[in-house]
Amino acid sequence: GAVVSQHPSRVICKSGTSVKIECRSLDFQATTMFWYRQFPKKSLMLMATSNEGSKATYEQGVEKDKFLINHASLTLSTLTVTSAHPEDSSFYICSARVRNTGELFFGEGSRLTVL
Amino acid sequence: QQQVKQSPQSLIVQKGGISIINCAYENTAFDYFPWYQQFPGKGPALLIAIRPDVSEKKEGRFTISFNKSAKQFSLHIMDSQPGDSATYFCAASKLGPGTYKYIFGTGTRLKVLA
Repeated sequence: GAVVSQHPSRVICKSGTSVKIECRSLDFQATTMFWYRQFPKKSLMLMATSNEGSKATYEQGVEKDKFLINHASLTLSTLTVTSAHPEDSSFYICSARVRNTGELFFGEGSRLTVL
Repeated sequence: QQQVKQSPQSLIVQKGGISIINCAYENTAFDYFPWYQQFPGKGPALLIAIRPDVSEKKEGRFTISFNKSAKQFSLHIMDSQPGDSATYFCAASKLGPGTYKYIFGTGTRLKVLA
């Protein structure tokens, strides 16, 4: 299957700081990437849809000024959690939709802990 | 219309047994139905997927059964092993170029007893 690399896998930061998470499709082009948040033992909560070269589309209830998403190329999308607070602590997962087929592959996830 | 309903929420199976997870969808525009396997602390991994033009797809111990008229599909894990213990998500989407979202079920936590 196609490979999606997500980095960092774990990050601990102080309250008020910003954290950037990168998502790269290593062996395919992804016009669309999705960002999810997952709470313990819960399903995947879609945060936003990221399209290459355009602004991200955020799901209802997701603060776009707090969760900045950039999709600068066909292989890279980034999620920046700005002014992080302890309630932002969570498991964040990206996924990339293969450009021509539409199949979806996930990154390994990033565990964010805000102190 | 966009929901995918998944059951059961959790499942315990003896080693060697058959694990069965069911999903139902509403939107007939969906044409791609994948299953993902997720281990704790990891992202979901694509396990197996089916298109609506076939009623069954088998890959090793994993089989998807698809019932287009009932708008249901299920994952069967034959000869279940402790290593299969994970959370399984069904999903539905449309393939092809475009930005179609994937609609996920709520997940099934499978535990296979040794």
